[in-house]
Amino acid sequence: AQTVTQSQPEMSVQEAETVTLSCTYDTSESDYYLFWYKQPPSRQMILVIRQEAYKQQNATENRFSVNFQKAAKSFSLKISDSQLGDAAMYFCAYRGTGGNNDMRFGAGTRLTVKP
Amino acid sequence: KAGVTQTPRYLIKTRGQQVTLSCSPISGHRSVSWYQQTPGQGLQFLFEYFSETQRNKGNFPGRFSGRQFSNSRSEMNVSTLELGDSALYLCASSLSSGRQVPNEQFFGPGTRLTVL
Repeated sequence: AQTVTQSQPEMSVQEAETVTLSCTYDTSESDYYLFWYKQPPSRQMILVIRQEAYKQQNATENRFSVNFQKAAKSFSLKISDSQLGDAAMYFCAYRGTGGNNDMRFGAGTRLTVKP
Repeated sequence: KAGVTQTPRYLIKTRGQQVTLSCSPISGHRSVSWYQQTPGQGLQFLFEYFSETQRNKGNFPGRFSGRQFSNSRSEMNVSTLELGDSALYLCASSLSSGRQVPNEQFFGPGTRLTVL
């Protein structure tokens, strides 16, 4: 079964600095999708970034970028120029393309941004 | 375009009762998934519906059920409520199911269920 592991329960970063959140996953599939979601204190989950496993190029969305290492099954999120509004729970998620392709989430990393 | 909406936002029930939660996906989205979020267990997948058919089901007891209507709106039902069912129930919609792209999910604000 596919599992997603986020080894950092909490992280903090100074405003304007850069922070990297870690995520590893376990799968036997070769084709799948990876996501980072953000859940601010208001509780609405927001999609931050998406990566297709067949694409070697790392996805970027403005200040957010990923480091996708398929062989290592690693999918980290880098937030540059951190802002106070980035404070939230961040969830890494995996979605396969096989028979059981529900979304699997990691336990989450709580990011605090210090002014 | 309106986002995913869930009703009600808050609900208080007592043990043994049943509850029905509703989710309206983004217009044009045919896939609706339900998740249970608790501090101890995190986000757990309940089930996914696509074009009125259940496509995937998580590891939850039969007290948890769902359905999807022709307009893609979905309902989730929990019968014989237990204290452990207290959680935030999230609904997410996507344009397609996981095997097709795009398949990213867009979440609603959730329904906070408290079982007393």
